[in-house]
Amino acid sequence: DVKVTQSSRYLVKRTGEKVFLECVQDMDHENMFWYRQDPGLGLRLIYFSYDVKMKEKGDIPEGYSVSREKKERFSLILESASTNQTSMYLCASSFWTGGQETQYFGPGTRLLVL
Amino acid sequence: GDSVTQMEGPVTLSEEAFLTINCTYTATGYPSLFWYVQYPGEGLQLLLKATKADDKGSNKGFEATYRKETTSFHLEKGSVQVSDSAVYFCALLNTGNQFYFGTGTSLTVIP
Repeated sequence: DVKVTQSSRYLVKRTGEKVFLECVQDMDHENMFWYRQDPGLGLRLIYFSYDVKMKEKGDIPEGYSVSREKKERFSLILESASTNQTSMYLCASSFWTGGQETQYFGPGTRLLVL
Repeated sequence: GDSVTQMEGPVTLSEEAFLTINCTYTATGYPSLFWYVQYPGEGLQLLLKATKADDKGSNKGFEATYRKETTSFHLEKGSVQVSDSAVYFCALLNTGNQFYFGTGTSLTVIP
């Protein structure tokens, strides 16, 4: 079974802090994604990566950055956390199979910024 | 742009009732369509998918048929159980390899 793990289930941070959210997948997937999930808005794509050291902006990249130094690990960074970044963050990964790939999700990290 | 619209919740049903969650999409070409389920406190899990028109995806008693003519992918189950209580997301993968998710529909099944 594919396993996608996220470093924390719950985090509480203060405004202005630098926050690192880590995601690791164990199936050698090329593609990795970061979403945030908010009530009434569903999932919104923050950043994604198709290969090591490669990154692409999603729909809402402002206030975030990412790092992909190794194929299995994709990190989301909040350079200076703000209260409007309080949310559930979901990491996902997938193979590239010519347009039919399934995304596999981690359990999520619920972040509260005070 | 491409998008997914699904019925708003929350939906509350009695055990053994029939379930339909509507999903329609907007996309050029022939996207792949998915239903994901999120149980309380967990991430999203793939429930079923269909990759071309008239395909039917099915899993755990749930079904959805890819209808190109109505651009729909409605989720159905004939007899829901308490354990089906979750949030259900419709999603599409377009020909540009981008995923789009609906806003989610919360289902509560009461005994």
